[in-house]
Amino acid sequence: NAGVMQNPRHLVRRRGQEARLRCSPMKGHSHVYWYRQLPEEGLKFMVYLQKENIIDESGMPKERFSAEFPKEGPSILRIQQVVRGDSAAYFCASSPQTRDEQFFGPGTRLTVL
Amino acid sequence: KQEVTQIPAALSVPEGENLVLNCSFTDSAIYNLQWFRQDPGKGLTSLLLIQSSQREQTSGRLNASLDKSSGRSTLYIAASQPGDSATYLCAVGYSSASKIIFGSGTRLSIRP
Repeated sequence: NAGVMQNPRHLVRRRGQEARLRCSPMKGHSHVYWYRQLPEEGLKFMVYLQKENIIDESGMPKERFSAEFPKEGPSILRIQQVVRGDSAAYFCASSPQTRDEQFFGPGTRLTVL
Repeated sequence: KQEVTQIPAALSVPEGENLVLNCSFTDSAIYNLQWFRQDPGKGLTSLLLIQSSQREQTSGRLNASLDKSSGRSTLYIAASQPGDSATYLCAVGYSSASKIIFGSGTRLSIRP
């Protein structure tokens, strides 16, 4: 059973471009969570999704950020018009049910030039 | 407000010592607590998961305890080695939400 997969592992964007981060949960997991780790800081919750539904987006910035988890395919975290402050590591986790152990992917490191 | 605190922020000890890392959390209504290890620029490695009904978990040289009533967990590392040098993160799953709240971590350095 493959673990949580994230791609790309590293992403470089210039200010104003769009960034798309993908997360494939573990097989059998229908719950996906996104966390962000700013440089020299801890991980902060961003959003929790189930298939086709956003359950909790209390940690998402109100503008430029969006997330989806379609019926088919990976979960996508989309950042529009990136700014230098978006540079961070973005981690995805999945679980089989809510309040189960969350399994983390290797992360995507976004650098905004 | 649900908060997770880890003290100290950094710790340096000589090789071979036993050590304890501390984690405290507000609100005792949790469903689990997890300890992770993170090497610089890398992802998270899960070390130990304690369910809310458990008091401790052990894996090799690591032992984690949980005291919900006092809002505390400790990670005990026996016979420390230079390879144990990393940042250790405590993460709490609160029953009122499905997200995990992370502490800011303890940066551990083991001196040869």
